Amino acid sequence: EIVLTQSPATLSLSPGERATLSCRASQSVSSSLAWYQQKPGQAPRLLIYDASNRATGIPARFSGSGSGTDFTLTIRSLEPEDFAVYYCQQRSNWQGFTFGPGTKVDIK
Amino acid sequence: QVQLQESGPGLVKPSQTLSLTCTVSGGSISSGGHYWSWIRQHPGKGLEWLAYIYYSGSTYYNPSLKSRLTISVDTSKNQFSLNLRSVTVADTAVYYCARTLVMVVGPIGDGWFDPWGQGTLVTVSS
Repeated sequence: EIVLTQSPATLSLSPGERATLSCRASQSVSSSLAWYQQKPGQAPRLLIYDASNRATGIPARFSGSGSGTDFTLTIRSLEPEDFAVYYCQQRSNWQGFTFGPGTKVDIK
Repeated sequence: QVQLQESGPGLVKPSQTLSLTCTVSGGSISSGGHYWSWIRQHPGKGLEWLAYIYYSGSTYYNPSLKSRLTISVDTSKNQFSLNLRSVTVADTAVYYCARTLVMVVGPIGDGWFDPWGQGTLVTVSS
């Protein structure tokens, strides 16, 4: 079973700062990792797929990197609307889809 | 663009069956290329994928919930549905439907969800 862990659980930053979120897989998933943003009361929104590809309409300040077991979501300069919870997600052929527990980015 | 909307009862009694429908607009389920999923989120918690289906009827379930789940598709109505049997209070959650990309890529696989419906809260209570 592939387990995803995310760190930190909470990241307290100010607008304009750089956010670096981590997702680690319990075994290699190659580049098969996606990132989502979820704001309170809203559905998650796809940000990044295949580790580093931005989804349609996602601003360039969001970037993803990594492969194998270690992945990073970077928000270059936080905008007020970026304070939210971020989830990583992976799919395997034998267990389906799994999500990480999430990282909350809140205002310092 | 494709939009999804969940519908169904907001309150279900313990031991009964939770039934939800997702209506797809702006695109046809039958056009192929995508699967269609249900995902849930317990209050204040993370995300849990439940099942996905292809327009042809091929299905795949979360192994931990497989015995209680049935996902189905109605291409004539451009809808897909979820039944969760024998519910308990632990099934109280926001249930989302989502268009799903599924790829068999080497030994691992790949896929993601985009877009999502707005979600519907289902409370299990007597």
